[in-house]
Amino acid sequence: SQTIHQWPATLVQPVGSPLSLECTVEGTSNPNLYWYRQAAGRGLQLLFYSVGIGQISSEVPQNLSASRPQDRQFILSSKKLLLSDSGFYLCAWSGRTSRLSYNEQFFGPGTRLTVL
Amino acid sequence: AQSVTQPDIHITVSEGASLELRCNYSYGATPYLFWYVQSPGQGLQLLLKYFSGDTLVQGIKGFEAEFKRSQSSFNLRKPSVHWSDAAEYFCAVVPNTGTASKLTFGTGTRLQVTL
Repeated sequence: SQTIHQWPATLVQPVGSPLSLECTVEGTSNPNLYWYRQAAGRGLQLLFYSVGIGQISSEVPQNLSASRPQDRQFILSSKKLLLSDSGFYLCAWSGRTSRLSYNEQFFGPGTRLTVL
Repeated sequence: AQSVTQPDIHITVSEGASLELRCNYSYGATPYLFWYVQSPGQGLQLLLKYFSGDTLVQGIKGFEAEFKRSQSSFNLRKPSVHWSDAAEYFCAVVPNTGTASKLTFGTGTRLQVTL
């Protein structure tokens, strides 16, 4: 079966510090990968998605960047965090095999980021 | 661009009562439709989805949803709510085209269950 991991689970960082959040998927190959952010009291906003290694699409202009160095690894980064980067970050994957619904996304447990 | 509206930010129901959470979408064609549930501090779990066919879809945990094309709605229902259903519920849509599943979420409805 497929599983998705995110770490760290929680993170408290000072303004201006760098950020690296990691997401890995097991049990599938060549997935689509996604980063979402959920700000307090708001819905989920798609930040980045990737359809393959090294292929990153950004949905909103921001202080963050994403990379996909391996097929099942997706990293969210920042060089200098802002207060507005605080939120709950969710990684998701969707499969493209014949057994799985193409558009169905499966979410990781999330990372709670607090920027002080 | 497509959008999703969940008009109810917060709903409180008694345990054992019926539940209906509203969702309306705006999109030129019929998109794929989803309901997700999120317990506090956790990720999202898919409750059910609609791609095509029967407009009444059954999901996990006793939930169902009905797609009504004429109303651009995909409301979530449960005949008898349990205290463990207290969570936040998100409706989402994705165009049935493209190479990536770019979900657009509603702002969510927080469900509180009273005993």
